[in-house]
Amino acid sequence: SQQGEEDPQALSIQEGENATMNCSYKTSINNLQWYRQNSGRGLVHLILIRSNEREKHSGRLRVTLDTSKKSSSLLITASRAADTASYFCAPGAGSYQLTFGKGTKLSVIP
Amino acid sequence: ETGVTQSPTHLIKTRGQQVTLRCSSQSGHNTVSWYQQALGQGPQFIFQYYREEENGRGNFPPRFSGLQFPNYSSELNVNALELDDSALYLCASSLRGLGGETQYFGPGTRLLVL
Repeated sequence: SQQGEEDPQALSIQEGENATMNCSYKTSINNLQWYRQNSGRGLVHLILIRSNEREKHSGRLRVTLDTSKKSSSLLITASRAADTASYFCAPGAGSYQLTFGKGTKLSVIP
Repeated sequence: ETGVTQSPTHLIKTRGQQVTLRCSSQSGHNTVSWYQQALGQGPQFIFQYYREEENGRGNFPPRFSGLQFPNYSSELNVNALELDDSALYLCASSLRGLGGETQYFGPGTRLLVL
C-alpha cells in the first residue's frame, strides 16, 4: 500500500462555509478512501472512490479523483461545528492494508 | 457506531512490561488490522490478520505480535514496552472480498508507558 499526503495540514473556516482538502499519492491505485477522526477517537469511513470514477457524492461530501495528476479532493459543503475533525485519505492498490498521512485538521468555528 | 469494540479504553504501564490489547470485530468480518497512532500523527499500520493468520506487517519489531481467534476477536501483544510505545492503538475490521477495502475502526485504546 502507499501513503497519501493530505494538504493543507490545518484549515480553519466559519460555520456555513465550504471546506476543501486535498490528497496526493505517488503510484497507480485501484481506489481511494477518505476517513474522519474526531479528537482522539476511532476513524470513521466517509467515502470510497474507485479509479474509474471521477467524482462521487455522499450527502454534503463531494470527492473527486484525478488519476492523471495522482490527486483527490474532498469538499465538505455548508460546514458545521460537528465537522471539526482530522481527515485522512488512504490510496488503495489492491492490498487490504491502509496507509495514512498526517491528515488535515479541520476547525469549523461556530 | 461501527460495531467494533476495544478494551481497555486506557492503560498505564511502565517500561519493560508487557501489554495485551483486545478487539472485537464487527459481526461477519474475517479480517482485522491494528494501527498505532502517536500524538499528532496519522495511524501507522502494524499488521493484519485474515482467517487467523498474519497477512501483512508494517515496520514494527517482533515484540509486537497478535492473534486472531475463530470468533474473529483479536489481540495485540507488545513485549518489553518502551516509552515510544505510548500511543492510541486502533483496531479495524473488514470483510475481505468484494468491496472489502473499507475498514471499520474501534474507538481505540490509549496506552501510556512511564
